[in-house]
Amino acid sequence: DIQMTQSPASLSASLGETVTIECRASEDIYNGLAWYQQKPGKSPQLLIYNANSLHTGVPSRFSGSGSGTQYSLKINSLQSEDVASYFCQQYYNYPLTFGSGTKLEIK
Amino acid sequence: QVQLKESGPGPVQPSETLSLTCTVSGFSLTSYGVNWVRQPPGKGLEWMGRMRYNGDTSYNSALKSRLSISRDTSKNQVFLKMNSLQTDDTGTYYCTREGHTVRGTFDYWGQGVMVTVSS
Repeated sequence: DIQMTQSPASLSASLGETVTIECRASEDIYNGLAWYQQKPGKSPQLLIYNANSLHTGVPSRFSGSGSGTQYSLKINSLQSEDVASYFCQQYYNYPLTFGSGTKLEIK
Repeated sequence: QVQLKESGPGPVQPSETLSLTCTVSGFSLTSYGVNWVRQPPGKGLEWMGRMRYNGDTSYNSALKSRLSISRDTSKNQVFLKMNSLQTDDTGTYYCTREGHTVRGTFDYWGQGVMVTVSS
């Protein structure tokens, strides 16, 4: 199975700041990487697929990058509604696997 | 619009079998796959298995011996059955729609159903 290592586990930032979350795969996943946002008490929502493609309706302050085994999610101009947990997920190979998540809070 | 809704039994006793139903609307099960993903309280996400649009299934090897996924396309429902439940099977169980152009991603999620395994 492909292991996904996500960091940091938690993150606190001020409104308007830019934050970055990292995800490392145990082997090359050839951009088969998605990011999800899970707000408290809600279901996860797809943000990004193919490592850098924005899902329909997702604000442009979210962006994804990376290749090979290293990927990142960047959130520009942090808003209060971005308080959530964020998960990466590889879909290059089965079983599909997720990172352990990053909990983002506002300072 | 696309909707998925999980339903299930609530509390389950250890060693019993879990049966969940995912009822979908706004899309056809013969065009889109449906996956099951679970989340222990306060923890991360685990992919359990899927029903593909063509009726094929695949399972997480960690659960394969206990898990079965089936469907009834006439009722727009996908079913999950998992036997020999233990307390660490407690969590929220989600059904998700698989992305049409990007297989393996989940573009719609149900609200989730909480399953508590306790004696």
